[in-house]
Amino acid sequence: EVQLVESGGGLVQPGRSLRVSCAVSGFTLEDYAMHWVRQAPGKGLEWVSGISWNSGSVGYAEVVKGRFSISRDNAKNSLYLQMNSLRIEDTALYYCAKDWGPWGSGSLNYWGHGTLVIVSS
Amino acid sequence: QSALTQPASVSGSPGQSITISCTGTSSDVGNYHLVSWYQQHPGKAPKLMIYEGSKRPSGVSNRFSGSKSGNTASLTISGLQAEDEADYYCCSYAGNTTRVFGTGTKLTVL
Repeated sequence: EVQLVESGGGLVQPGRSLRVSCAVSGFTLEDYAMHWVRQAPGKGLEWVSGISWNSGSVGYAEVVKGRFSISRDNAKNSLYLQMNSLRIEDTALYYCAKDWGPWGSGSLNYWGHGTLVIVSS
Repeated sequence: QSALTQPASVSGSPGQSITISCTGTSSDVGNYHLVSWYQQHPGKAPKLMIYEGSKRPSGVSNRFSGSKSGNTASLTISGLQAEDEADYYCCSYAGNTTRVFGTGTKLTVL
């Protein structure tokens, strides 16, 4: 059974940093691209970042480019999102999602339940 | 990277059909056959319903279908059922590992 479990969310002050993680099981992580998608309270889905199977291709939404960094450790079956210079508008439930294929152009066929990040003073 | 445009809400009676549109640009929807659709019930994670514009994952009812014309993709749900009431989002690949979601549509089954 495919499982994605996010962790590391919490309350953080504006301007500070936070790293969220996603532990996966039930499939071979190194065969697939992975993504982070967020959803602010009461709002729609927003793609944040994606990374190919070998970390050779990464992409970011314009609103997080230069502040967020995605990475993965296939040996540890884990995906990460390092979030720096956090803003109040980054407050959201952050979902980890598995890509259909290895390069990051596929659909997102499995999702975790999300980890909540609240940016507030 | 502007969000794809969807109607805020649609509604239909049980047994009817509804269509949700998703309008993008020639840089996303119009340039790739890589539009997907997601269903999200309140408090739940999104679920993939359609991929590559018109394909259904295993386990998704054939009442759900997708299509695309130019810069606009569409999701049609036929034979509406109460459990179809949810939020629906389209998503398009936009090149270089990036993608963009739609604004979301709330489906109400009357």
